[in-house]
Amino acid sequence: DAGVTQSPTHLIKTRGQQVTLRCSPKSGHDTVSWYQQALGQGPQFIFQYYEEEERQRGNFPDRFSGHQFPNYSSELNVNALLLGDSALYLCASSPRDRLQETQYFGPGTRLLVL
Amino acid sequence: LAKTTQPISMDSYEGQEVNITCSHNNIATNDYITWYQQFPSQGPRFIIQGYKTKVTNEVASLFIPADRKSSTLSLPRVSLSDTAVYYCLVGDDSGNTPLVFGKGTRLSVIA
Repeated sequence: DAGVTQSPTHLIKTRGQQVTLRCSPKSGHDTVSWYQQALGQGPQFIFQYYEEEERQRGNFPDRFSGHQFPNYSSELNVNALLLGDSALYLCASSPRDRLQETQYFGPGTRLLVL
Repeated sequence: LAKTTQPISMDSYEGQEVNITCSHNNIATNDYITWYQQFPSQGPRFIIQGYKTKVTNEVASLFIPADRKSSTLSLPRVSLSDTAVYYCLVGDDSGNTPLVFGKGTRLSVIA
């Protein structure tokens, strides 16, 4: 049973560029959440997708957007990259119909903005 | 959302029992207490969750006093591979609720 997978594992971009990160949820999960984790900090919630729509959003600017596909996989897009966007980006999945099942995290994508 | 406070770091020798305490004075009636473990360059991993009294699984025990204003994660006989950051979270037990992480406790296990 494959867990949550993310790609790429590492990425280097320069300021002003745009980036797309990808996530495939754990088998049987239909809800995907994205988190940003700066160095030395805990993960911070960006947004959550279910049924191909953004359902909840954390305190992140509109430069951060996402998408969910019919197969439940998801993308995180960040436009106009800033140095402060350098972080580990984590995807977590959960099943909407089994509310008491916890979120499972992927290994993350390490983004470095130069 | 209830805020949690836990020590920034702890050191322990191999084979010892480690107890990490978390303070959550403003915990709500329907909140659960959940602990996650995170190794470097990996995503957090669920360890244990409880509402009151004591919960035990194959990895750890969680002790929650009657007033629920604090909780203690207990790791029996730690090994070097238990070196990680441990996060205490408070919130409802729905897997769809956004998780609110603090800075966690960095546990270093020494040989």
